[in-house]
Amino acid sequence: NAGVTQTPKFQVLKTGQSMTLQCAQDMNHNSMYWYRQDPGMGLRLIYYSASEGTTDKGEVPNGYNVSRLNKREFSLRLESAAPSQTSVYFCASSSRDRGPTGELFFGEGSRLTVL
Amino acid sequence: SQQGEEDPQALSIQEGENATMNCSYKTSINNLQWYRQNSGRGLVHLILIRSNEREKHSGRLRVTLDTSKKSSSLLITASRAADTASYFCATAPIFSKLTFGTGTRLQVTL
Repeated sequence: NAGVTQTPKFQVLKTGQSMTLQCAQDMNHNSMYWYRQDPGMGLRLIYYSASEGTTDKGEVPNGYNVSRLNKREFSLRLESAAPSQTSVYFCASSSRDRGPTGELFFGEGSRLTVL
Repeated sequence: SQQGEEDPQALSIQEGENATMNCSYKTSINNLQWYRQNSGRGLVHLILIRSNEREKHSGRLRVTLDTSKKSSSLLITASRAADTASYFCATAPIFSKLTFGTGTRLQVTL
């Protein structure tokens, strides 16, 4: 099993450009999440989806949009990238249905640089 | 805002020694989890301890939870070079979302 797969692994954008980070899981999990990791800040939740068709804001949602395309896929879109969005982005999934309090399975990360 | 804070921020030990890292949190929790992150990789779940548990073991890992002090500790016994990584505690507050601390960087030297 691949687990949680993120694409792309690396991306460089110019300020104002848009892009979508893709995430897919093959564990039949209901819940999926997007986190960003910055030095000294730990992981911060951007958005999560408790089940197909539902999404909810996390701690730092501004500047991002998400789409839960189906049970397997959860994408994160930056409509107009800013240098403050330079970060490592992690997608995660969980088998719990009541929100992100269970064990999380993470992808390998997408390293985004905004110039 | 960080619910959990790890201490120390960095720890350097020799192979074979034990490594202890601590996590303190602020509000009541459903559970507390520990994750490992190798350099440039994603996080890997290590262990989950529920609020009604006091101690849990998994291989060379021992986790304790003291809800009265709102703190947890992760003990790695007989450390190996392969244990070099960052370790994060994540707390699951009641009626809220899982929140990660800023991590402890562990360096195990030969």
